[in-house]
Amino acid sequence: QLQLQESGPGRVKPSETLSLTCSVSGGSISTSSYYWGWIRQPPGEGLEWIGSIYYGGNTYYKSSLKGRVTISEDTSKNQFSLNLSSVSAADTAVYYCARASITIIGVDVNVVAIDYWGQGILVTVSS
Amino acid sequence: DIQMTQSPFTLSASIGDRVTITCRASQSISSWLAWYQQKPGKAPKLLIYKASNLEYGVPSRFSGSGSGTDFTLTISRLQSDDFATYYCQHSNGWTFGQGTKVEI
Repeated sequence: QLQLQESGPGRVKPSETLSLTCSVSGGSISTSSYYWGWIRQPPGEGLEWIGSIYYGGNTYYKSSLKGRVTISEDTSKNQFSLNLSSVSAADTAVYYCARASITIIGVDVNVVAIDYWGQGILVTVSS
Repeated sequence: DIQMTQSPFTLSASIGDRVTITCRASQSISSWLAWYQQKPGKAPKLLIYKASNLEYGVPSRFSGSGSGTDFTLTISRLQSDDFATYYCQHSNGWTFGQGTKVEI
């Protein structure tokens, strides 16, 4: 059974960098069959996709966060990570790591759905 | 970016009711739409993928329909376990709708 587990500090100071890691067990991230990504949810609000990483290290980020966000992978540890720089109170949220299933049509990789989620980690931006 | 708009924002219903939630895309997304259920303090759970396909293990009272820009999630007979917030997602573009809270 696939499991994803977020880890990292629960509090980050304004202007600093938020760094989280997602540890994956029960399956390998080194596969062309899935995307791996980060989604966040501010308290009492909806879901916001942050970015994703695909086989070979190809990354995709929400346009409004580009320049602040970096997603990377460590295949030797079966982990992927999120770095979000210059944080403010608006970045306070529960951060989820997740796996998305895909289907390939011709040469196009299409995301079908997010089928596995971590339990989430609350990160508060506060001095 | 393609925007996803759900309606209503909140829905009040009773056990046994038929419930319909609507999701509209700002441009055609074919059938690249997923539906999720989220309960307080929990991660979302996949219900429907590719607009109308029921995820394994999800009760058959849930169904999805639509293509292009207009989609619906229907719960045929609302159960107590179904009171939650529901999100649509343009899966290929990753964008979520703002959510619909189904309450008693």
